[in-house]
Amino acid sequence: AQKITQTQPGMFVQEKEAVTLDCTYDTSDQSYGLFWYKQPSSGEMIFLIYQGSYDEQNATEGRYSLNFQKARKSANLVISASQLGDSAMYFCAMREVLYNFNKFYFGSGTKLNVKP
Amino acid sequence: DVKVTQSSRYLVKRTGEKVFLECVQDMDHENMFWYRQDPGLGLRLIYFSYDVKMKEKGDIPEGYSVSREKKERFSLILESASTNQTSMYLCASIPPGRGYGYTFGSGTRLTVV
Repeated sequence: AQKITQTQPGMFVQEKEAVTLDCTYDTSDQSYGLFWYKQPSSGEMIFLIYQGSYDEQNATEGRYSLNFQKARKSANLVISASQLGDSAMYFCAMREVLYNFNKFYFGSGTKLNVKP
Repeated sequence: DVKVTQSSRYLVKRTGEKVFLECVQDMDHENMFWYRQDPGLGLRLIYFSYDVKMKEKGDIPEGYSVSREKKERFSLILESASTNQTSMYLCASIPPGRGYGYTFGSGTRLTVV
């Protein structure tokens, strides 16, 4: 079974509008971490936001927020006030801690295009 | 600032060649990882290492091997490159502890012809 599912291969959003990128995950662990990364066309992976499974409040980092719904196993990324520079691939990832290892699972990504 | 450096940004190799992809981190991290990224498939884990000379297979290790002789360096080896190994390769490292994400290198785009 897929550990991380991103069902939106591509999305368009108008500049200055908000957009939600979907992510669902599958794990039987009680302790895990959820991450979002941005990958511009340059190829580098940029860490955006982190949510721990025991965190009661949704994580926020500037214009990014993570809508964490534990019972539904979803961790959607919300970008407020989209900017042209937000056009990129976005990956949702989950970390499971096995002994001392940090193993991450990544979704297939969502390509976001911000229109002027 | 923490840094993960991959030695080549673009690489073109011939089928059957032995290929070395190098990754160096300057953060004294125990855990290092190699992923390949393909359109529509996201990132898939090839190998990881949790200490010097220690390695574990990831989800797609076939056709690859790794070497970790020093803590800061983690090398990915394609024993006999094939065209289906044309891909973007990403190296990452992470400190111990639950609240940390990966630091990625800038990636190596490998083309096997």
